[in-house]
Amino acid sequence: ILNVEQSPQSLHVQEGDSTNFTCSFPSSNFYALHWYRWETAKSPEALFVMTLNGDEKKKGRISATLNTKEGYSYLYIKGSQPEDSATYLCAFPNAGNMLTFGGGTRLMVKP
Amino acid sequence: DTGVSQDPRHKITKRGQNVTFRCDPISEHNRLYWYRQTLGQGPEFLTYFQNEAQLEKSRLLSDRFSAERPKGSFSTLEIQRTEQGDSAMYLCASSYNRGRDGYTFGSGTRLTVV
Repeated sequence: ILNVEQSPQSLHVQEGDSTNFTCSFPSSNFYALHWYRWETAKSPEALFVMTLNGDEKKKGRISATLNTKEGYSYLYIKGSQPEDSATYLCAFPNAGNMLTFGGGTRLMVKP
Repeated sequence: DTGVSQDPRHKITKRGQNVTFRCDPISEHNRLYWYRQTLGQGPEFLTYFQNEAQLEKSRLLSDRFSAERPKGSFSTLEIQRTEQGDSAMYLCASSYNRGRDGYTFGSGTRLTVV
């Protein structure tokens, strides 16, 4: 069973603050690293699928970096807005492409 | 295509009853996955299909759980003789092959066993 860990578990920030979270995963047999955003009462939504060491991806105010050698990825949100409030999940696929998810980081942005 | 649909959204059942959930994936996607999510945890893999073939089912939580995808389109997840510990969110997702752009998830079925 793969060990995928996320920190922190939860985070409260003020509107306009920038923030970041961490996902750590096994550094051996790396295939890809997924990030999802899951808003309450909605479906988890894919943010990024990262495959290359050193990769950096960006979507609006959200960006992510990847270090496959040391087994971690960071997700950054610049200038947090209340609509960014959600649970952010990372997931690591095995050879059969079954995703193992971390426990998530629950972000709450106060106006 | 309106995305991945799951039905019902909520299900309350008495302990010992059988329940069945349905998932309609994106039509172009050949892979379909079932996950379970309990409070404070990330989604936990249960099983997946490639077309109509169930390629991994060892993670189904017990022999009370079964899943089908009879024609390679929609899928059902059945839980027999439900227990209170089965209360959770059951998520379905689909992808084309390995999901280069990520999985597309449904909104889930929230099961409460009373």
